[in-house]
Amino acid sequence: DVKVTQSSRYLVKRTGEKVFLECVQDMDHENMFWYRQDPGLGLRLIYFSYDVKMKEKGDIPEGYSVSREKKERFSLILESASTNQTSMYLCASSPDSRNTEAFFGQGTRLTVV
Amino acid sequence: AQSVAQPEDQVNVAEGNPLTVKCTYSVSGNPYLFWYVQYPNRGLQFLLKYITGDNLVKGSYGFEAEFNKSQTSFHLKKPSALVSDSALYFCAVRAYTGGFKTIFGAGTRLFVKA
Repeated sequence: DVKVTQSSRYLVKRTGEKVFLECVQDMDHENMFWYRQDPGLGLRLIYFSYDVKMKEKGDIPEGYSVSREKKERFSLILESASTNQTSMYLCASSPDSRNTEAFFGQGTRLTVV
Repeated sequence: AQSVAQPEDQVNVAEGNPLTVKCTYSVSGNPYLFWYVQYPNRGLQFLLKYITGDNLVKGSYGFEAEFNKSQTSFHLKKPSALVSDSALYFCAVRAYTGGFKTIFGAGTRLFVKA
């Protein structure tokens, strides 16, 4: 089975902290994604990566950065956490083709206080 | 621009009754459409997809979806709902912008009452 693992299920951080969310996939997928999920807004794409060391901005990249040094790992970084970044964060991976589904991690619920 | 719309925030159905969760899409070219389900405090799980061929697609847990090109719809259906089907359902489309990414609808919460 494809496995996408996010390093934490729940995180509580203070305003201004630098926060790292880690994601690892074990299926050698080219594409990896970070989404943010908020009630009534569905999933919004923050950043995605098509290859190692490559990254593309999604719909809401402000306040975030990413790193992909190895194919299996995609990290989301909150440079200076703010309360409006309290949310569920979902990592996903997929092969580089149109007709394949994405595989999701279990999610990280981040609370910034 | 590629987009997906789920017109209902919530759908309520009694156990044993048929259910439908609606989805409409806007894409350029051939659509590649997906349904995902999310249970509380979990990530999304893939249910089914339409790529080409038969307009009625069957997926996991007894779900199916009907692709209608003229109405640009891809509604999710199940003949007999279970309480355990209560969850959040997302419709999605694959889009190419230098690489393939998935665009999601806002989600529809399904409540199945016993």
